[in-house]
Amino acid sequence: AQKITQTQPGMFVQEKEAVTLDCTYDTSDPSYGLFWYKQPSSGEMIFLIYQGSYDQQNATEGRYSLNFQKARKSANLVISASQLGDSAMYFCAMRATNTGNQFYFGTGTSLTVIP
Amino acid sequence: DAGVIQSPRHEVTEMGQEVTLRCKPISGHDYLFWYRQTMMRGLELLIYFNNNVPIDDSGMPEDRFSAKMPNASFSTLKIQPSEPRDSAVYFCASSFRSGPNQPQHFGDGTRLSIL
Repeated sequence: AQKITQTQPGMFVQEKEAVTLDCTYDTSDPSYGLFWYKQPSSGEMIFLIYQGSYDQQNATEGRYSLNFQKARKSANLVISASQLGDSAMYFCAMRATNTGNQFYFGTGTSLTVIP
Repeated sequence: DAGVIQSPRHEVTEMGQEVTLRCKPISGHDYLFWYRQTMMRGLELLIYFNNNVPIDDSGMPEDRFSAKMPNASFSTLKIQPSEPRDSAVYFCASSFRSGPNQPQHFGDGTRLSIL
């Protein structure tokens, strides 16, 4: 069963604007973590941000923030003040204890920042 | 600190040959994951280890694929015999401890081309 859903195959954003990348998840485990990774065209997978299921506040890391809505089971990534270097694939992932600590990845969203 | 180290970065070989991909996880990490990424199938988990023991190999496509982790600092993924459809980017990732708040850290990947 698919546990992570990213419904936006591709997104465009104007440079310096904010953009939201959507992610919904499915788990019955009360303890889980949500992660976002960036994959630029060079191919490496870069860990961006983490949100725990028990965290009361939305996670932030520089220009990245996570809009965590637990009741909706969504964990959207918000990138503020987009830069050309933000053009990349973005993957949402989840890790839960009751699934053996493996990670489940979404299919990714391709973000293009337009100058 | 050194990240996850994969070798080789690129491999081009002919169909039928044996291919061995290597991975050195981050020191102290006790989870190691092997993934395959293609345009058609996205990011697929092949196998993962905890404390050098394979936990789930249900993603290994067929008997031609095998993975080992003889010690905490080294793992191999072997394909024998290789086929053109095995062409993909293979990633190794490691994670510290179990628990939903631990991200995985990826190596730079091995780009494998089978002619």
